[in-house]
Amino acid sequence: DAKTTQPTSMDCAEGRAANLPCNHSTISGNEYVYWYRQIHSQGPQYIIHGLKNNETNEMASLIITEDRKSSTLILPHATLRDTAVYYCIVIRRGSNYKLTFGKGTLLTVNP
Amino acid sequence: DAGVIQSPRHEVTEMGQEVTLRCKPISGHDYLFWYRQTMMRGLELLIYFNNNVPIDDSGMPEDRFSAKMPNASFSTLKIQPSEPRDSAVYFCASSFRTGGQGGGYTFGSGTRLTVV
Repeated sequence: DAKTTQPTSMDCAEGRAANLPCNHSTISGNEYVYWYRQIHSQGPQYIIHGLKNNETNEMASLIITEDRKSSTLILPHATLRDTAVYYCIVIRRGSNYKLTFGKGTLLTVNP
Repeated sequence: DAGVIQSPRHEVTEMGQEVTLRCKPISGHDYLFWYRQTMMRGLELLIYFNNNVPIDDSGMPEDRFSAKMPNASFSTLKIQPSEPRDSAVYFCASSFRTGGQGGGYTFGSGTRLTVV
């Protein structure tokens, strides 16, 4: 599975959009981009995933560049409860379907 | 849907004792994963099952760790004998083969293990 690079930490003001970047320059055509987050003392939570098209759900939007070498997770109106570690993971969906978590980005939403 | 249920939430035990962590996956999910999280090493995959069969146990740290899945609704992770360095939060997760609910894993709330 392709390696990902994320900033160690980011800050965002409450009510503003949080844009979390992820680089995955070695991604291959059959690999998906997944985003999870982990709020302190809780288990990781699935947010969204995509292959090449932009995706949106009730939690967030995922923007994948045309060359698929990077992506951005967008939380449109961040709240204090969005403070968490956000993990970008690239994975080939198939028989060897297991998630490997890196260090992620600690997003702190400030009042 | 109650989600993935883990028990106990907290466990404190003495070094050398046997510890058993339990997990009930989401009904209908056919993959089950055990992770361990520490400050030093982050989230590590220990083992995962597909249709109750262990597929990859390469993350199990040593022979003191064992995991079983006797049926589709129950799994255990056992540590015998336990050591202080096993202190961590242990998470169980489950998934449907096409990626789970909304495409991802569903994690339990974890078991915080402290070995003194």
